Amino acid sequence: GEEVAQTPKHLVRGEGQKAKLYCAPIKGHSYVFWYQQVLKNEFKFLISFQNENVFDETGMPKERFSAKCLPNSPCSLEIQATKLEDSAVYFCASSQSSGGHSEQFFGPGTRLTVL
Amino acid sequence: AQTVTQSQPEMSVQEAETVTLSCTYDTSESDYYLFWYKQPPSRQMILVIRQEAYKQQNATENRFSVNFQKAAKSFSLKISDSQLGDAAMYFCAYRSTNNAGNMLTFGGGTRLMVKP
Repeated sequence: GEEVAQTPKHLVRGEGQKAKLYCAPIKGHSYVFWYQQVLKNEFKFLISFQNENVFDETGMPKERFSAKCLPNSPCSLEIQATKLEDSAVYFCASSQSSGGHSEQFFGPGTRLTVL
Repeated sequence: AQTVTQSQPEMSVQEAETVTLSCTYDTSESDYYLFWYKQPPSRQMILVIRQEAYKQQNATENRFSVNFQKAAKSFSLKISDSQLGDAAMYFCAYRSTNNAGNMLTFGGGTRLMVKP
């Protein structure tokens, strides 16, 4: 598609439950990024993919967070055993592989609320 | 690691006036990209303007322009003829140039209010 699609729009989980978020990048884009925006508006980079391969995972809290981008499937971000501090808006972005100037196009975000 | 700082949590401007949002960054790299993103209440991230560090000329997009001072590591955004629709959070962001897969590093944001 022409836009980055993210589902669901909103997700509510009890503490300790699992949460799974999905992202469909723009068709033809090779890179996918996940960012977390907490309620104070701060953005934190989580992970990026080049096609189905992890490109950079330096921002991922590896104990509970995992992500995948498989061929012919939406990318996913999964949080096992959610904590209150995981409440945030999770943005997915995608970009082409045409060089360092490539713009990252953002999806509308998924708001995760952990109760 | 690179850091981006926006020292103004909130700014206010009268409709039709001009406002400047500040951004400073810290990096040891010589080539990189700088961006300003707008985030309205809908939370959708919209790219406003982009500057390549090796270009001395300041980028301009209609009413939006930047003042890029590489030596001072400063990248301010000027909005001319402010409109009510400009009210939003504005984020300054940095990205290394060597690969399209490089992440964006964001500042903390500036909330811009536009008074009618």
